[in-house]
Amino acid sequence: GENVEQHPSTLSVQEGDSAVIKCTYSDSASNYFPWYKQELGKRPQLIIDIRSNVGEKKDQRIAVTLNKTAKHFSLHITETQPEDSAVYFCAARTEGYSTLTFGKGTMLLVSP
Amino acid sequence: GAVVSQHPSRVICKSGTSVKIECRSLDFQATTMFWYRQFPKKSLMLMATSNEGSKATYEQGVEKDKFLINHASLTLSTLTVTSAHPEDSSFYICSATVAGGRRNTGELFFGEGSRLTVL
Repeated sequence: GENVEQHPSTLSVQEGDSAVIKCTYSDSASNYFPWYKQELGKRPQLIIDIRSNVGEKKDQRIAVTLNKTAKHFSLHITETQPEDSAVYFCAARTEGYSTLTFGKGTMLLVSP
Repeated sequence: GAVVSQHPSRVICKSGTSVKIECRSLDFQATTMFWYRQFPKKSLMLMATSNEGSKATYEQGVEKDKFLINHASLTLSTLTVTSAHPEDSSFYICSATVAGGRRNTGELFFGEGSRLTVL
């Protein structure tokens, strides 16, 4: 089955800096890669996703890049703000299957 | 986006009792719902996949007699933790995808989660 590795497990940055979280996946058939943000005690919320037919997607301060050859994808947050502090999960899914495989999460702390 | 509602948000029970958690898709039909368990500061661990009108598919290591899942309609799935023990204390989250149609983007929508504490 699919295996998703996520790094780093914790990331501390100063407000205004950029943050990058990286994930690798094992199944070359995976074609859908969402990123979720989870604040403490709350439900995960989709913040951005990318499909295998594109290499990059951007939404304001958030961007995701995908390298299918290397089987890795990354989340980039620019101009970080304290409210960006949360746990971020990457995930991967193989076409034809509805189950998402999640990474272990990255706790991002943005200090004012 | 689509809305998934989960109840109760918090439940405290005595050891040996059973607890039922409901997961509802409010504005869409969900042929498939997923149940996750999340330990503090840990990732989402898939427990089982719930398909409407059929038996749930459990992940390896998850006791199906301990965690009973029922998906009786396209908008409701329930998880019952039977004979709960302190080690069952955790955050349980359900999720669902839209069943077909224009809204079927593949996105997974999560419920609010249920924090179970077994005394």
